[in-house]
Amino acid sequence: AQKVTQAQTEISVVEKEDVTLDCVYETRDTTYYLFWYKQPPSGELVFLIRRNSFDEQNEISGRYSWNFQKSTSSFNFTITASQVVDSAVYFCALSDGGYSSASKIIFGSGTRLSIRP
Amino acid sequence: EAQVTQNPRYLITVTGKKLTVTCSQNMNHEYMSWYRQDPGLGLRQIYYSMNVEATDKGDVPEGYKVSRKEKRNFPLILESPSPNQTSLYFCASSTFFGSSYNEQFFGPGTRLTVL
Repeated sequence: AQKVTQAQTEISVVEKEDVTLDCVYETRDTTYYLFWYKQPPSGELVFLIRRNSFDEQNEISGRYSWNFQKSTSSFNFTITASQVVDSAVYFCALSDGGYSSASKIIFGSGTRLSIRP
Repeated sequence: EAQVTQNPRYLITVTGKKLTVTCSQNMNHEYMSWYRQDPGLGLRQIYYSMNVEATDKGDVPEGYKVSRKEKRNFPLILESPSPNQTSLYFCASSTFFGSSYNEQFFGPGTRLTVL
């Protein structure tokens, strides 16, 4: 069965610190997709990244980076030099439908990140 | 402007009174989905649809119905709402997972209260 665990319920750091949000997933499929979404205080959901199971390259986008490790079933998200605007709830999600069929998407329970000035 | 719209944005209703939350997207996306968000539980998928006339259950489908008669619309129907369906609901759409670009676009959310 699919499962996504975000063990960190809340994290609070001081601005400019680096912070890593953990995501551990479970799936029996060899083909799957992993996602990160951001939900700022305004409530909308913003897509950050998608990664498929065949692409283990780490991704960097500005201050954001993602570390995908199949060996530990983890897809962690790091914010470098955090800013107050990074304060939000972050969700990790998993879909294991593969290339030929749509499937359920399972979200983790989210990590609330607070960046203090 | 590419967007997913939901209506209504806020709704207070009473137990047992049938309601429909509409969802529409203008991006010609194949995949559409409904989620509910509850504190401490993250987002849970209610139903999803791969294309017109193709719907399937997510993790929490009980008490909900959906239909996909047109590609752009994916209404969520609560035939007999109960207080445990009080939640924040999101509709989302994306191109199908097999293609190269699968960002999910979310609607603004519908806050439903069932008394």
